Amino acid sequence: GENVEQHPSTLSVQEGDSAVIKCTYSDSASNYFPWYKQELGKGPQLIIDIRSNVGEKKDQRIAVTLNKTAKHFSLHITETQPEDSAVYFCAAAGGSYIPTFGRGTSLIVHP
Amino acid sequence: DVKVTQSSRYLVKRTGEKVFLECVQDMDHENMFWYRQDPGLGLRLIYFSYDVKMKEKGDIPEGYSVSREKKERFSLILESASTNQTSMYLCASSLGLADEGTYEQYFGPGTRLTVT
Repeated sequence: GENVEQHPSTLSVQEGDSAVIKCTYSDSASNYFPWYKQELGKGPQLIIDIRSNVGEKKDQRIAVTLNKTAKHFSLHITETQPEDSAVYFCAAAGGSYIPTFGRGTSLIVHP
Repeated sequence: DVKVTQSSRYLVKRTGEKVFLECVQDMDHENMFWYRQDPGLGLRLIYFSYDVKMKEKGDIPEGYSVSREKKERFSLILESASTNQTSMYLCASSLGLADEGTYEQYFGPGTRLTVT
């Protein structure tokens, strides 16, 4: 089955800096890569996703890049703010709709 | 807005008890999922269901069962709770397979279960 590795497990940045979280996947059939943000006391919420037919997608301060050849994808957050502090999960899904999640990255943005 | 609700935020049960965790979604989603979340292990899929009365095992089904008698409700059952089932349990739902953009999962707030 699919295996998703996510790094780093913890990321600490100063407000205004950029943050990058990286994931790799093992199944070349995977074609959908969502990112979820989980705030304290809440369930994860989708923040951005990318399909295998594009290499990059942006939404305001967040962007995701995908390298299918290398089987890795990354989340980029620019101009970080304290409210970006949360746990972020990457995931990969193939022909089924069932995502395999990474282990999560705890992002801490210091004011 | 899609809403996924879970019956309890916090639950404390004794070893050997039968435990029911309930999840309800209000958006007529076909698919429903149960995950457990443990520190450093991410989200691990226990069971999922793609239709009423249908269920499929996920990655860690041992010690759990599920029930989906109505489309909007998906229950997770711990037949005989054990201490290693102490965890955060998350329910999610999503639309069916048909179209692009239907893969998004909507999560409930979670149930923190402690088995003593």
